[in-house]
Amino acid sequence: DTEVTQTPKHLVMGMTNKKSLKCEQHMGHRAMYWYKQKAKKPPELMFVYSYEKLSINESVPSRFSPECPNSSLLNLHLHALQPEDSALYLCASSPSPPVQPSYEQYFGPGTRLTVT
Amino acid sequence: AQSVTQLDSHVSVSEGTPVLLRCNYSSSYSPSLFWYVQHPNKGLQLLLKYTSAATLVKGINGFEAEFKKSETSFHLTKPSAHMSDAAEYFCVVSESNFGNEKLTFGTGTRLTIIP
Repeated sequence: DTEVTQTPKHLVMGMTNKKSLKCEQHMGHRAMYWYKQKAKKPPELMFVYSYEKLSINESVPSRFSPECPNSSLLNLHLHALQPEDSALYLCASSPSPPVQPSYEQYFGPGTRLTVT
Repeated sequence: AQSVTQLDSHVSVSEGTPVLLRCNYSSSYSPSLFWYVQHPNKGLQLLLKYTSAATLVKGINGFEAEFKKSETSFHLTKPSAHMSDAAEYFCVVSESNFGNEKLTFGTGTRLTIIP
C-alpha cells in the first residue's frame, strides 16, 4: 500500500468553528508533513513530525494545531481560521528521517478548505 | 541554502511532440532532486528522483530527467506528449540536514497539450 489518505476531501467552515483534518498512511513511514497550497502556487511546508514528535514548525499561527497520535496518523486541528486560510491542505509522508540518501515524500490528495 | 528555479511558468506543446520543462537548482550539499506532477484539484505524484546514482533518471509515464552538475540543471523531458500530460509540474530539491528533511519547491510549470 503506497497511499496517503486524507479526509475530508472538502471542508467549509466559519471563522468561529473548530474542525480537524485527518491524514493516514500504512507504509511504515516515520516522518509526516502538513503543507498548505494556495491556487497556482507551490506547496508551503507547515509542520514536520519525525517519529511522532514535532520537529519543524514553520512559524505557523497557533490557530493551526497539529497532532500525531501514532505513527500512521496525523491530524491538523483548526480553530478561529481566517478567510485567507482557505487553501488546499496536503499531507505527505516519507521513510525519513534519513541522513543520506534523501527519500521522496508521498502526498495525499489534499483537503480543499474554504473559510467563510 | 537550497533553491530551485523553473525557467518557464507555462509551456504549450502539440500532442505527439517532445516536452522539455527546465529546472535549475542551487544547493550547498549533494542534493536530491525530484519532479512531481499535480493534476487539477489533486495531490502531488512523484514522477522521478535523482539521488546521486545514475545521472539519467527514468520515471513514470515515459518521462526522464538528466542531472547535470556542471550546469546545475535537472530538466524534465518526454519524447511524445499525450493529452493526459496536461498538468502542473514542480521541480523539487531536498537536503538531508541530519534529521530534518525539507523540500524546496520551484514555482511550477503549467504544461498545456494542444490537440
